[in-house]
Amino acid sequence: EVHLVESGGGLVQPGGSLRLSCAASGFTFSSYAMHWVRQAPGKGLEYVSAISSNGGSTYYANSVKGRFTISRDNSKNTLYLQMGSLRAEDMAVYYCARDFRVDTAMITYYYGMDVWGQGTTVTVSS
Amino acid sequence: SSELTQDPAVSVALGQTVRITCQGDSLRSYYASWYQQKPGQAPILVIYGQNNRPSGIPDRFSGSSSGNTASLTITGAQAEDEADYYCNSRDSSGYHPFGGGTKLTVL
Repeated sequence: EVHLVESGGGLVQPGGSLRLSCAASGFTFSSYAMHWVRQAPGKGLEYVSAISSNGGSTYYANSVKGRFTISRDNSKNTLYLQMGSLRAEDMAVYYCARDFRVDTAMITYYYGMDVWGQGTTVTVSS
Repeated sequence: SSELTQDPAVSVALGQTVRITCQGDSLRSYYASWYQQKPGQAPILVIYGQNNRPSGIPDRFSGSSSGNTASLTITGAQAEDEADYYCNSRDSSGYHPFGGGTKLTVL
């Protein structure tokens, strides 16, 4: 069965750092791009970051650019999000999600995020 | 703009049909995907591509698109469909925005 399990959340002071992990199982992790999505308390989903299947390409939302770093270790089937200079507005449940897209000879179709973890909670407070 | 806009709340009588919409310029070029999220749970993908349902999603869920608007339709809404629904797409830069979400109430 396909699973994503996040860990590493917790309480951190403003300006502090935290590293989130997302352990994948049940599929060939190295074949999929991956995403981080967060949800502040009582708010909607916010896109955070993405990384290509081989780690060679990354994307960051403007709200986290320069403070967060996404990475992956395909030998360990694990996705990471290194978060620094944390602010109150970074407080959220952080989800990892598997990218779902199909490549054809002419075009790549992005179909969304088909597998999600249960989330890990990051609290930023002094 | 790559932003996606949804109505904050929609209601439907039990057994009736409801449409949830998502507007954004990126939808002219890229498919929308739709997610259902119930309180305290992770989102789940319910519609992707032109109009495709992942395994396990009831066939009362369907999707459509025209111009800059994508729609999720629930035909014969059930009590268990009460949830928040989010659309998602992508743009050419690698940004994958979500809509603000629509809270569906089944009366």
